[in-house]
This record gives sequence, structure tokens and C-alpha cells, in this order.
Amino acid sequence: QKEVEQDPGPLSVPEGAIVSLNCTYSNSAFQYFMWYRQYSRKGPELLMYTYSSGNKEDGRFTAQVDKSSKYISLFIRDSQPSDSATYLCAMKPSGGSYIPTFGRGTSLIVHP
Amino acid sequence: KAGVTQTPRYLIKTRGQQVTLSCSPISGHRSVSWYQQTPGQGLQFLFEYFSETQRNKGNFPGRFSGRQFSNSRSEMNVSTLELGDSALYLCASSSERGTDTQYFGPGTRLTVL
Repeated sequence: QKEVEQDPGPLSVPEGAIVSLNCTYSNSAFQYFMWYRQYSRKGPELLMYTYSSGNKEDGRFTAQVDKSSKYISLFIRDSQPSDSATYLCAMKPSGGSYIPTFGRGTSLIVHP
Repeated sequence: KAGVTQTPRYLIKTRGQQVTLSCSPISGHRSVSWYQQTPGQGLQFLFEYFSETQRNKGNFPGRFSGRQFSNSRSEMNVSTLELGDSALYLCASSSERGTDTQYFGPGTRLTVL
């Protein structure tokens, strides 16, 4: 079992839909949780960063962490065709190595 | 401020050859990390450099090596290329170690024939 599991999709939704992207993990030491967006032929771009459990909102994006279930989510409200990209979750423990462990990414397609 | 730049953007090599990829971090950033991205394995950490010293290394064979120069620019080298080395190689920079705001470059697409 990989440390971080993420459904590769593709996830296809109509414009305006609420999108839910998820990752599960097995390492209970993970404390920092990130979401990256990667457009085709580009490098990943940090979208959201959260520490420990709870919610964080930034515009149309909400990141949610449930450490008891080892489950994190990214919600996108009022999805737009420009949101079509691959979304990668990443996480790392506090202290020790600074290197995050990435999920394989979920491909999202928002069609007009 | 200019972003992370990587050269070349595309490379085609044959098995057994060696390749050197270059990364210029954002001005003022001292930490550079390298990742390999493939459809099957996703994003996998190769190594991290800070102040010209390798600080962390991922689980890759010794054919993969890197270095960082005094101006924070970094290079990675892959010797004796194998077909499985075909991947997108990404460089990321950050101002200090441990900060979560890593800025990724566009990557170098390496194809090994």
C-alpha cells in the first residue's frame, strides 16, 4: 500500500459544479497537507496548505483535513473550464525530513 | 520576479547515454529540490540541495546525481540511461529549507529510446 492514495480519475464535471477531490494516507505522523494544481506541460503550483486537522478556505477552494480518518479533501465551488488540470495532494510530518510525499494526482475536466 | 527555469525543456536520448539537466531557482532562493514524475509512480523525490550541500536523497540508484553551485543554480545528471528513466524531471526552489511554498519549474521532458 502506498503511503498516499489518490484516485487518478479522470473526473469529468459540468461547469458550475462543486468538485470534491480526495486523498487517503497511512502515515499518522503527517501534519502538513498541501494541494497542488498542475496544468498540462507545466510544473505543479501550490494551491492550499493546511496544518493538522480542520478547514481552510481561499476563494472558491476549501481544503479539509480529517486526521482521525487519515483523509483530506479539496473542494472547488463554481468550477470553471480553467480549473481543468491535475490536482496533486502532498503531505509531510513535522520535524525531520522536509520532503513531502505526493499522491499520484487526479485529472479534472470541467466541460462548458 | 522571474520563476524557476529549467533547461532544456525537451530531450531525446538513447539507452546508455548520459544527460545533464539544469535548474535556475528564483532569485534569492537557496533550496533546490529535484523530482521525477511519471504516470505510473507520480511525483517522486530525487534530492534536495541547500547551500551547495545535498541535504536529502530519495530512493534512486547512484546513476542519479546532482550538485548546486554558489549562485544556487543546480544540475542533475543521469548516467547510463535506461528506458525507465523517461519522465518529466521537475525542479522546485524555496527560500529556505522546510518552507512549504516550493515553486516548481516547467520541467524537462526526457525521452530515452
